[in-house]
Amino acid sequence: QVQLEQSGAEVREPGASVKISCEASGYTFINYYIHWVRQAPGQGLEWVGIINPSSGKTTYGQKFQGRVTVTRDTSTSTVYMELSSLISEDTAVYKCVREDYDSRSFDLWGPGTMVTVSS
Amino acid sequence: QTVVTQEPSFSVSPGGTVTLTCGLNSGSVSTSHYPSWYQQTPGQPPRTLIYSANVRSFGVPDRFSGSILGNQAALTITGAQADDESDYYCLLYIGRGIWVFGGGTKLTVL
Repeated sequence: QVQLEQSGAEVREPGASVKISCEASGYTFINYYIHWVRQAPGQGLEWVGIINPSSGKTTYGQKFQGRVTVTRDTSTSTVYMELSSLISEDTAVYKCVREDYDSRSFDLWGPGTMVTVSS
Repeated sequence: QTVVTQEPSFSVSPGGTVTLTCGLNSGSVSTSHYPSWYQQTPGQPPRTLIYSANVRSFGVPDRFSGSILGNQAALTITGAQADDESDYYCLLYIGRGIWVFGGGTKLTVL
């Protein structure tokens, strides 16, 4: 079954870091880009960044530059997103999304990981 | 800073036609921005409707269509149904590996 499975909910205090995961299955991991998209409660979708699982090359949204790191482990078909210096506004559901880079289609969405930043 | 603009809200009558738009503060939207459209209902993950401006995703009814209208991307719903009442987001590729979502349009069918 083609799917993206994400790690469970996390709670962190302001200033801390969080690392969440997205495990791909049912397809060839290195053949599709993986994006991270977040959605704060009651808010819209926000693009965070992208990784090419084949090369490991990443690009991040300007808002997240210097605070986010996306990595991958090809042996486990898993992508990780680490966000540091957390603030309350980082409270959101973080979703990984697969992109078919031939069609430029975001064609498979993960279920999301809730990250709550609270003291 | 690049901003992708969408109407905050729109209303359509059942059976009617509505066109939602997606613009760019830095200029015109073209196919090189690979416009895509996503439908989201509360508590549900986004559903991909349209990619590469006008290609319907698998299983999406043909009452949903995408296009470039003038200097904007557009999503047209023809024959709107009650369950089309959702939030709709567009996404644009702005180059150098960077993508930007619009703020979303809340569509009401009444």
